[in-house]
Amino acid sequence: DAKTTQPPSMDCAEGRAANLPCNHSTISGNEYVYWYRQIHSQGPQYIIHGLKNNETNEMASLIITEDRKSSTLILPHATLRDTAVYYCIVRVVTSGTYKYIFGTGTRLKVLA
Amino acid sequence: ETGVTQSPTHLIKTRGQQVTLRCSSQSGHNTVSWYQQALGQGPQFIFQYYREEENGRGNFPPRFSGLQFPNYSSELNVNALELDDSALYLCASRSGGAYEQYFGPGTRLTVT
Repeated sequence: DAKTTQPPSMDCAEGRAANLPCNHSTISGNEYVYWYRQIHSQGPQYIIHGLKNNETNEMASLIITEDRKSSTLILPHATLRDTAVYYCIVRVVTSGTYKYIFGTGTRLKVLA
Repeated sequence: ETGVTQSPTHLIKTRGQQVTLRCSSQSGHNTVSWYQQALGQGPQFIFQYYREEENGRGNFPPRFSGLQFPNYSSELNVNALELDDSALYLCASRSGGAYEQYFGPGTRLTVT
C-alpha cells in the first residue's frame, strides 16, 4: 500500500533551511501530496499539500517535480521546535473516500 | 489547537477483550477517519465515516468497527483484541470538501 519513500532521518542546523525529500513514483494524476508532522506521538499536524504546482504557506514550501514522481518540503528557517517526524503522504480517492497513505516518515532533528 | 478530542488517553486491555475508543470531531466537521499507528510506524488508515455511514476502509478485519453519531462524534470498536492491536489510535476530522484533516491527540491502547 505504501506510496511514498523518505529517508529515515535528517539533521539540520538551527536557522538553516531544512529540505526533506520524498519519492512517490507511483502517484496517479488526481492524487495529492500532503505533508504532516508529528511531535512526541501527538496527533499529526497539517503542514501543506499540492497537486502539481509548487505551493507556499506560512509554515513551509512544497516543490513538486514536473513528472510528479518526487517532492521536497522546505522549512526555510528551521527552529528547535521543528524537531519532529515528517510524513509525506499521498491522498488516494476511491469511491468518494479520501484515504491518506502515510509512509514511515523522516525524523528531523534541528541542532542548536 | 485542532479541536479534535479523544478519550481515553491511555487504556490497558487483555487479549480477547473488547474496547471502545471515542472521538469528538472539530465543530462543523462531518467526516471522520480513524488510524492505527504502531510504534515507529506511520499511521495506517482504518476507515472513514461520512454522515454516519462508513464510506471507506483500509486493510483491517471486520472486528474493527465504528459508529458516527448525528453530532459527528464517533467511536472505534475493536473486538477480540490481539497483542498486535497495541498502538496509538488516532481520529481525524474534516468538513466534506476540505483539503485538510485535523487529528486528535490519540488513544494509546496496550493489549497484554
